[in-house]
Amino acid sequence: AQKVTQAQTEISVVEKEDVTLDCVYETRDTTYYLFWYKQPPSGELVFLIRRNSFDEQNEISGRYSWNFQKSTSSFNFTITASQVVDSAVYFCALISGGYNKLIFGAGTRLAVHP
Amino acid sequence: DTGVSQDPRHKITKRGQNVTFRCDPISEHNRLYWYRQTLGQGPEFLTYFQNEAQLEKSRLLSNRFSAERPKGSFSTLEIQRTEQGDSAMYLCASSGEGGSKNTEAFFGQGTRLTVV
Repeated sequence: AQKVTQAQTEISVVEKEDVTLDCVYETRDTTYYLFWYKQPPSGELVFLIRRNSFDEQNEISGRYSWNFQKSTSSFNFTITASQVVDSAVYFCALISGGYNKLIFGAGTRLAVHP
Repeated sequence: DTGVSQDPRHKITKRGQNVTFRCDPISEHNRLYWYRQTLGQGPEFLTYFQNEAQLEKSRLLSNRFSAERPKGSFSTLEIQRTEQGDSAMYLCASSGEGGSKNTEAFFGQGTRLTVV
């Protein structure tokens, strides 16, 4: 079975704090892709990052960084020096098997307060 | 704007009525997906098209739901005899051919359906 778990339902931080969003996935496939999407109040899902199962190298993009650990089946997302504009719902997702069907977690709502 | 476009953005309908939503994918994308998102949940896969062929349907897609993608361009999702449980955001996404470089799906802004 394929599944994505985002245990944190809501996180509230004050601007400039660092925050980590957790994601744990389950799949029996050896080839798979992991994603993070951001959903601001407007509703559109915005693609942030994709990692494939063969590349465990961590990635940094500006204030965003991702930690992929196959040993713990986790793909965590850290925002450094959070800003109010980071407030949104963040989804971790998995593609495993055919047809590029995304399997989403339930999402983590991040609120960044000034 | 060359992103995924969905129409309408909002739809309010009475229970029992039929509704149809439209999705225009990114022009060079041959893969098109429909997802449904209810409040507080992540999107759930409904169906997938590669060009005009509907290759996969979720068990969530009851026989009241039908999707088409004539000529492999835009797609429509129709819900017949709507029920209150159909109230949700319906999201469309598109992506290019497989391969490591273009498996990202790009989403439209969704159609929010409210059944009263």
